[in-house]
Amino acid sequence: NAGVTQTPKFRVLKTGQSMTLLCAQDMNHEYMYWYRQDPGMGLRLIHYSVGEGTTAKGEVPDGYNVSRLKKQNFLLGLESAAPSQTSVYFCASSPHTVQYEQYFGPGTRLTVT
Amino acid sequence: LAKTTQPISMDSYEGQEVNITCSHNNIATNDYITWYQQFPSQGPRFIIQGYKTKVTNEVASLFIPADRKSSTLSLPRVSLSDTAVYYCLVGDFNTGGFKTIFGAGTRLFVKA
Repeated sequence: NAGVTQTPKFRVLKTGQSMTLLCAQDMNHEYMYWYRQDPGMGLRLIHYSVGEGTTAKGEVPDGYNVSRLKKQNFLLGLESAAPSQTSVYFCASSPHTVQYEQYFGPGTRLTVT
Repeated sequence: LAKTTQPISMDSYEGQEVNITCSHNNIATNDYITWYQQFPSQGPRFIIQGYKTKVTNEVASLFIPADRKSSTLSLPRVSLSDTAVYYCLVGDFNTGGFKTIFGAGTRLFVKA
């Protein structure tokens, strides 16, 4: 049982490049989330999903897109990366009946130059 | 959605009890309070959740007064490994969309 895994762990992009971050969970959770955390700050919710095939916007969705084609996977895409998107990205999942207990992945450190 | 206010940082010594208070003056009837712990370079970890009065588990206790406008996370006999950032979080039980708001967090530093 690996819990929540994220791929890749580190990435450096040039401004304007695109990439996809992959989140996978093996706990059969219905809810999945993408957050970003900037230095010295708390987490901010980017997008979330309440089930396979569904997505919704969080606090800071601009510049990101997401997809949940399979229940166990939640993808975060950056179509045209900007330096302001330099951050650590965390994925999380939770059962729908215990939404407050989220299980977080190890994070992806993204730098956009 | 409610916003929370916590102290930015706290210092303690090993073996002491640490109490971190969070203010959530605009908490709504359907809101609950959750606390998370985050170590450097790791994702947050759920510690405890409550709605009212007192909740205790193997890690911590959570005290919530009757008006629910604040809550206190109590860590008994802290050790060096409890040095971390602690987040007070208010969530909404309502259906039709779930959002999580993390406050700024309290950086706890435990000294030997």
